[in-house]
Amino acid sequence: DTGVSQDPRHKITKRGQNVTFRCDPISEHNRLYWYRQTLGQGPEFLTYFQNEAQLEKSRLLSDRFSAERPKGSFSTLEIQRTEQGDSAMYLCASSLEVRGRRAYEQYFGPGTRLTVT
Amino acid sequence: GIQVEQSPPDLILQEGANSTLRCNFSDSVNNLQWFHQNPWGQLINLFYIPSGTKQNGRLSATTVATERYSLLYISSSQTTDSGVYFCAVGSNYQLIWGAGTKLIIKP
Repeated sequence: DTGVSQDPRHKITKRGQNVTFRCDPISEHNRLYWYRQTLGQGPEFLTYFQNEAQLEKSRLLSDRFSAERPKGSFSTLEIQRTEQGDSAMYLCASSLEVRGRRAYEQYFGPGTRLTVT
Repeated sequence: GIQVEQSPPDLILQEGANSTLRCNFSDSVNNLQWFHQNPWGQLINLFYIPSGTKQNGRLSATTVATERYSLLYISSSQTTDSGVYFCAVGSNYQLIWGAGTKLIIKP
C-alpha cells in the first residue's frame, strides 16, 4: 500500500532563491491538497486540485507561490524569491472523491520542511 | 469561517493512564478527522468520524454532530502515544485545524 510521498523531505535555502517541492498522491486519488504548518500550529490550507484543475486557493498563497498538477497525478509547489517567513513544513494530502459523497478523508504525506536562511 | 478549539492544550500522564481529548467546532461539518502527529512531523490518520462512534484498539472516538463536538479516548496509554493530537473539520475540500493537544506519556 503506497501512501502519499513528498520530495525532498528537507530543504535549506537562502532568502531570495526559488524552491520546488513534489508530491505524489495515493495512486487512485483524484484530489490533491497542499497545506502549510508552522511550529506549534495546526496546518493551514493552501490550495487543492481535482484531477489537473486547481479549484481553490487560499489567501495565504501569495503571488510568489504556484502549484501545478499537470497530468492529474503528481503535483509541484514552487516558491519564488523565498523569504524567511516561508520557513515551515509543507504538507501534501490526497483523497478520493466519490460522486454523491459530501466529504472525503484526507491522507497526508511526510511533509517537506523548508528552512530559509 | 469555522472555528475549531481543542482541549486541553497540554496533557502529561503516566504510562497506563486513560485520557480524553476534546474538539469543539463552531458550525456543521461533513468531515471530521483525528490525527496523531509524531515527533518527525508525520500526520497519522486515527479516525474519520463526522458522526457516531468508532473504536480502533486502545483508541476510540465519538462525534456528536448536533452539539458540535468530538471526543478522542486513549486507554492504557503507552509512551509511543506521545505527540500532538489534532482535530480537523471541513465541509467540502479544506480541513480547518485546531491547535492540537500535546500529549506526553511518562514511563
